[in-house]
Amino acid sequence: DVKVTQSSRYLVKRTGEKVFLECVQDMDHENMFWYRQDPGLGLRLIYFSYDVKMKEKGDIPEGYSVSREKKERFSLILESASTNQTSMYLCASSLLPGQGWDTQYFGPGTRLTVL
Amino acid sequence: RKEVEQDPGPFNVPEGATVAFNCTYSNSASQSFFWYRQDCRKEPKLLMSVYSSGNEDGRFTAQLNRASQYISLLIRDSKLSDSATYLCVVNTGNQFYFGTGTSLTVIP
Repeated sequence: DVKVTQSSRYLVKRTGEKVFLECVQDMDHENMFWYRQDPGLGLRLIYFSYDVKMKEKGDIPEGYSVSREKKERFSLILESASTNQTSMYLCASSLLPGQGWDTQYFGPGTRLTVL
Repeated sequence: RKEVEQDPGPFNVPEGATVAFNCTYSNSASQSFFWYRQDCRKEPKLLMSVYSSGNEDGRFTAQLNRASQYISLLIRDSKLSDSATYLCVVNTGNQFYFGTGTSLTVIP
């Protein structure tokens, strides 16, 4: 059974704090993604990574950074949390093109509130 | 212009009804197409991939029209358990682009 796990389901932080969101997948997928989901805006891509130590900016990378030191783990970092980063954060993984572009698998999400 | 656009709804239909969702995409080079289902406060889960020839899975039928750049999802004989948000997803290159979702409520 495929599995993507995220470190926390709910998180409350204060403005200015550094926040780490961790994602682990057990499917040996090359691609990993971080999205945020907000009402009326859908899922928006923050960053993705297609290999260890590789990263690419998505549509809304400002205020975020990522780390991929191991294939199975992809971390999202909020350097200095702000209230407009209150959102649902979703991690996903998938295979690379040519290896079966069947689907992305999502973690359960982290609902982050920044006070 | 958004990569993927879909009608947000909401669609409120009685049990047993047939309901159809449409979605348009802007990049003609897009390669793969999917419908995901998302329940309230849960993560999106794959409902079905969409193939050029159209495909069916039980009560669900997905169609792709590359010439007009739209995909559709048809749900027949709606069940209460079909109530959810349905996301249209398009893969272009190494990225997936999501529609904002269409909300469906099936009413007893």
